[in-house]
Amino acid sequence: SQQGEEDPQALSIQEGENATMNCSYKTSINNLQWYRQNSGRGLVHLILIRSNEREKHSGRLRVTLDTSKKSSSLLITASRAADTASYFCATDNFGNEKLTFGTGTRLTIIP
Amino acid sequence: EAGVAQSPRYKIIEKRQSVAFWCNPISGHATLYWYQQILGQGPKLLIQFQNNGVVDDSQLPKDRFSAERLKGVDSTLKIQPAKLEDSAVYLCASTNRIWDTQYFGPGTRLTVL
Repeated sequence: SQQGEEDPQALSIQEGENATMNCSYKTSINNLQWYRQNSGRGLVHLILIRSNEREKHSGRLRVTLDTSKKSSSLLITASRAADTASYFCATDNFGNEKLTFGTGTRLTIIP
Repeated sequence: EAGVAQSPRYKIIEKRQSVAFWCNPISGHATLYWYQQILGQGPKLLIQFQNNGVVDDSQLPKDRFSAERLKGVDSTLKIQPAKLEDSAVYLCASTNRIWDTQYFGPGTRLTVL
């Protein structure tokens, strides 16, 4: 079963704009990770945020985590055409080592 | 460092046939995962190995799917016999430590006709 649900399912923005996608999950987590998947390729890890962290940055990426609302958001600033991809959140739980992926957000950057 | 290798990249078979996928993880990674990703969905874990032992295979359809990781390095995933609903991308991933970043291979796209 899918633990995370990403929102929106699809997002199209102009190049240079910021893109925000959200992830909600159902049970308490240990870590939450975001992955990117280009069409026809495997997944690439973007960022990991631990349950005791609230915000994390990596280059043009900013991730927030609100454990009280069981939600996370991924912000991509100054988007580029190369950011066109599907983005997935994935969670793991204390005592359960496997990652459970959400359904993904399909991001399209319009040049 | 070389990434996770998978082969073949594409496979088309008829239902009831058998198929096998191969994965070579990043050197030194003890944990290896096989995922199934159906079009439009996120990856679903099929099986997790720690070295050559199975940690989790709760979502592996064991009546038709099997996997092994001999010598704790390469792994193969087999489907026998295949069904139409097995059409998906099969992803292999490895990690150095559990709960750490997973590194994914390019996947094998399986089409069952």
